[in-house]
Amino acid sequence: DTGVSQDPRHKITKRGQNVTFRCDPISEHNRLYWYRQTLGQGPEFLTYFQNEAQLEKSRLLSDRFSAERPKGSFSTLEIQRTEQGDSAMYLCASSPQGLAGPDNEQFFGPGTRLTVL
Amino acid sequence: DQQVKQNSPSLSVQEGRISILNCDYTNSMFDYFLWYKKYPAEGPTFLISISSIKDKNEDGRFTVFLNKSAKHLSLHIVPSQPGDSAVYFCALYTGNQFYFGTGTSLTVIP
Repeated sequence: DTGVSQDPRHKITKRGQNVTFRCDPISEHNRLYWYRQTLGQGPEFLTYFQNEAQLEKSRLLSDRFSAERPKGSFSTLEIQRTEQGDSAMYLCASSPQGLAGPDNEQFFGPGTRLTVL
Repeated sequence: DQQVKQNSPSLSVQEGRISILNCDYTNSMFDYFLWYKKYPAEGPTFLISISSIKDKNEDGRFTVFLNKSAKHLSLHIVPSQPGDSAVYFCALYTGNQFYFGTGTSLTVIP
C-alpha cells in the first residue's frame, strides 16, 4: 500500500497530557498538510510543509501545537497539555509540488481520532 | 470567517436520478476548486477538480460547474448510484492552502 498512513488511528488521553501523531506521506510527494476535523465540519487547515520546511501555520494553531518534518519524509504533530477542545480527527495529506492541473490534488490519510477526557 | 459554505447538510436522491451538490465561496482569489468524497472512518478522497479559468469539467458520471460571477461551485452526479452515498466536501485552493466546506451528506436510495 503506497497511500498516506497515520499512526495511531485512535488516541485517548487525559487532559493535560502530551500526545504525538505520525504521518507517512506518499514517498514522492514533497508537500504535506495537517488538518483538524470536528463533527459536522470540514477539514480545517493547521499547517503545511514543503519538504522539511514548515511554510504555513494557521493562526488557529496555538503554541501547544508543534509539527515537524525533519527529513522531508514523515511528519509528527505534537499537542502539549491537551485540552478537551482538542478532541477531533487529525488528518494528514500529501501532494506533489505543482500549481497547475491535477497536481494540486491532495491524498489524505485515514486520520487519527483524538479523545481528551 | 467561513470562506466556503455548503448550505445543504444532507441530500437524498433516488438511484438513477441526478444529484446536485452546491458550494458557495466569498474570496475571488481561489485558483482551483475541488470536490472530495468521504466514507466513514476514512480520509477524504479526491473526486474531480476545475481550475478558475474554466467553467465546466466532466469525468464520467461527475461534472463540476464553476460560476465565478456568482462565486458558486456545483457537482452533478448522473446517474446517481447507491455507492455514491457519502459525505462530499468542496475544497478551494489558493497559495499554499486548501479551504474546505462543511460537507453535504448524500444518500442515494436504491
